[in-house]
Amino acid sequence: QQQVKQSPQSLIVQKGGISIINCAYENTAFDYFPWYQQFPGKGPALLIAIRPDVSEKKEGRFTISFNKSAKQFSLHIMDSQPGDSATYFCAASNLNAGGTSYGKLTFGQGTILTVHP
Amino acid sequence: SAVISQKPSRDICQRGTSLTIQCQVDSQVTMMFWYRQQPGQSLTLIATANQGSEATYESGFVIDKFPISRPNLTFSTLTVSNMSPEDSSIYLCSVERTGEDTEAFFGQGTRLTVV
Repeated sequence: QQQVKQSPQSLIVQKGGISIINCAYENTAFDYFPWYQQFPGKGPALLIAIRPDVSEKKEGRFTISFNKSAKQFSLHIMDSQPGDSATYFCAASNLNAGGTSYGKLTFGQGTILTVHP
Repeated sequence: SAVISQKPSRDICQRGTSLTIQCQVDSQVTMMFWYRQQPGQSLTLIATANQGSEATYESGFVIDKFPISRPNLTFSTLTVSNMSPEDSSIYLCSVERTGEDTEAFFGQGTRLTVV
């Protein structure tokens, strides 16, 4: 019920291409869906996040697409660059009843993205 | 964003010993979270730490193994007790900033190797 399933495990794209990473969730109570980027030796850094009241959110080259009925969301990286090579995690959370916390996150398994020059 | 400092950044410890990891945030936050990231794996929530109350542990994690302190709104510690090689992981502190766009931020992590 609390799982978030992420695919693919690894992804190789050419510079300038589009990277697409997909996630699916089961718990319909989830209402916050962030994506994190992690470089080796670093903590995860928040990239972009979406709530289920919108179907798409774009920030620069990064876009989240959200399909509430299918319980799926995806990250699209346009014009992928070698500097985008990192591990990407999707996550999900829900606002605690009577609280304000989205920090209790359930993470996907991660996708290792390699962008070749 | 939030500035989160963790100490130590890495350590190598003998089995059977304990290590305390510190997490300092640059501003007051209500809730702090501790995660574990095993080698090549995803992040798993260990516990939620609120100031002035006992930490809340997730399934599979117990207070005797991972005692947590939260003495004020900017600081928390996680202790990994009676360590075994299976505890070798990255331990991460996280905080949440609420507002128009609520965001969860992570420290750089503590890489623990138990030998």
